[in-house]
Amino acid sequence: DAGVTQSPTHLIKTRGQQVTLRCSPISGHKSVSWYQQVLGQGPQFIFQYYEKEERGRGNFPDRFSARQFPNYSSELNVNALLLGDSALYLCASRLDSPLGYTFGSGTRLTVV
Amino acid sequence: GESVGLHLPTLSVQEGDNSIINCAYSNSASDYFIWYKQESGKGPQFIIDIRSNMDKRQGQRVTVLLNKTVKHLSLQIAATQPGDSAVYFCAEMGRNAGNMLTFGGGTRLMVKP
Repeated sequence: DAGVTQSPTHLIKTRGQQVTLRCSPISGHKSVSWYQQVLGQGPQFIFQYYEKEERGRGNFPDRFSARQFPNYSSELNVNALLLGDSALYLCASRLDSPLGYTFGSGTRLTVV
Repeated sequence: GESVGLHLPTLSVQEGDNSIINCAYSNSASDYFIWYKQESGKGPQFIIDIRSNMDKRQGQRVTVLLNKTVKHLSLQIAATQPGDSAVYFCAEMGRNAGNMLTFGGGTRLMVKP
């Protein structure tokens, strides 16, 4: 059974560019969340989506946006990239219960 | 804002010894506390969770203790193995926060053979 898959695994972008990261949840999981993990720190919540609706947003600027598709996959978009956006971006999916988050291996974004 | 933090950034133990990783939290309204293990190049992996109305929960080789009086959480790993080497995070979850996870800064566990 496939876990949470994220693409691409690694990405290098230039300051000011835009990036789109993709996430496919575990089959049947309706909720997808995005987290940013800066090197040496714990993951920080960005967005949560359930049934294609935004259910939560962390303390991130409007440059960050996301959406969830009918098949429950999700995209995270970041505009006007800054050097400080360099991080591991993690996607997590879960079924219905509050617990049971399963994380993907993440997308390593480097902004130069 | 309220956050979850860890006391020790690095813990080095001998293989076969028991490990104790500590965590302090500040949000009294959290419903659940969860421990995750993160290996290099991977996402966090669920280890064990404890509900806020409990003070102890045991899993396979792991025990989580919750002390609400001093807002302290600990993860005990019995007979630590080389495969336990990783970064460990505690996280809290509150229903009033949309079930989002708030993570602490992590503790690196190094197991010496």
